[in-house]
Amino acid sequence: AQTVTQSQPEMSVQEAETVTLSCTYDTSESDYYLFWYKQPPSRQMILVIRQEAYKQQNATENRFSVNFQKAAKSFSLKISDSQLGDAAMYFCAYRSAEVQGAQKLVFGQGTRLTINP
Amino acid sequence: DVKVTQSSRYLVKRTGEKVFLECVQDMDHENMFWYRQDPGLGLRLIYFSYDVKMKEKGDIPEGYSVSREKKERFSLILESASTNQTSMYLCASRGAGRRSNEQFFGPGTRLTVL
Repeated sequence: AQTVTQSQPEMSVQEAETVTLSCTYDTSESDYYLFWYKQPPSRQMILVIRQEAYKQQNATENRFSVNFQKAAKSFSLKISDSQLGDAAMYFCAYRSAEVQGAQKLVFGQGTRLTINP
Repeated sequence: DVKVTQSSRYLVKRTGEKVFLECVQDMDHENMFWYRQDPGLGLRLIYFSYDVKMKEKGDIPEGYSVSREKKERFSLILESASTNQTSMYLCASRGAGRRSNEQFFGPGTRLTVL
């Protein structure tokens, strides 16, 4: 079974600085997707960024980018120019592209990010 | 915009009560999911459904059941609530197909069992 590990329960960063959240995963599959989800306090979880394993290029969405290291099974999220609105719980997630059916997401434990003004 | 709604944001029940958590999505998604979220454990899948009347057990189905009579609605049932089922419950939906990537979440129901 696949597992996802986020080893940083909490992180903090000064506003306008850059922070990197770590995520590692374990799988024997070669075709899969990786995601970062953001859950702001008392608000709905939303997708931040996604990466398809067959793509070598790292995904980027505005101030959010990933460092996808397939051989190392590492998928970190970099937030540049941190803003107060980035404060949230961040979840890394894995989904198989090989298995038929609903293809469930497997989540990490989450990292709570605090932005210091 | 995709909307996933849940019937309650906060719910307080007593041990032994039967509890229904309702989830509705408005994007005609085939797949629907129920998770529970606990500090330090992330989200754990309870049950999911890939079609009407179809259901599959997730990682922690014990003590729960589900119902999907209509495509847009997926209900989570706690037959006899226990204190260890106090948690945040999240519903989600996603379209079919390998490339249908984004999973949309509801706002969550924080359930307290006394």
